[in-house]
Amino acid sequence: GAVVSQHPSRVICKSGTSVKIECRSLDFQATTMFWYRQFPKKSLMLMATSNEGSKATYEQGVEKDKFLINHASLTLSTLTVTSAHPEDSSFYICSAGTSSTYEQYFGPGTRLTVT
Amino acid sequence: GQNIDQPTEMTATEGAIVQINCTYQTSGFNGLFWYQQHAGEAPTFLSYNVLDGLEEKGRFSSFLSRSKGYSYLLLKELQMKDSASYLCAVRPIRGTTDSWGKLQFGAGTQVVVTP
Repeated sequence: GAVVSQHPSRVICKSGTSVKIECRSLDFQATTMFWYRQFPKKSLMLMATSNEGSKATYEQGVEKDKFLINHASLTLSTLTVTSAHPEDSSFYICSAGTSSTYEQYFGPGTRLTVT
Repeated sequence: GQNIDQPTEMTATEGAIVQINCTYQTSGFNGLFWYQQHAGEAPTFLSYNVLDGLEEKGRFSSFLSRSKGYSYLLLKELQMKDSASYLCAVRPIRGTTDSWGKLQFGAGTQVVVTP
């Protein structure tokens, strides 16, 4: 199956700093990438949908100025958590796919801890 | 609103069968997915149902009844490696270019397989 990578897998940062998370589709071109957030023992919550070359579409309640998403190519999307706070600590997962199939392929996730 | 319910946890012994139920109430319906997620890892695709009935794939089967807003995932001949969280996800609407893949996830059912 298709492979999606995320980098870094774990990151610890201090309050007020910014963190960038990369999501790459390694063996296919993804027209769309999705960013999710997951709290322990909780559901995946969709944060935003990102199409290559256009602005991301954010879900209700997600601050677009805080969670900056860039989808510059068909294989790379980045999520930048700006001015991070401890409440931003979470597991962030991206997924990638194309509109021609029904499947999304998930990355391995990034564990963010803000101290 | 959107509501996807599944049990929090189920325990079964190796070799047994376990059925994980999922009920949903969403604003629309265009398919139901089951994913397996091991702790700290990305979800992996198990099955996709868009029409009523049973889909069988090896030891795993998935059933859908759209009129009842109900699905189940059946795991047969349980193995220790099947211990994981199983996520039910609904695609509420047929996609536009940026919404084709939007999924609403349940909170997941933690399956514990004992020797």
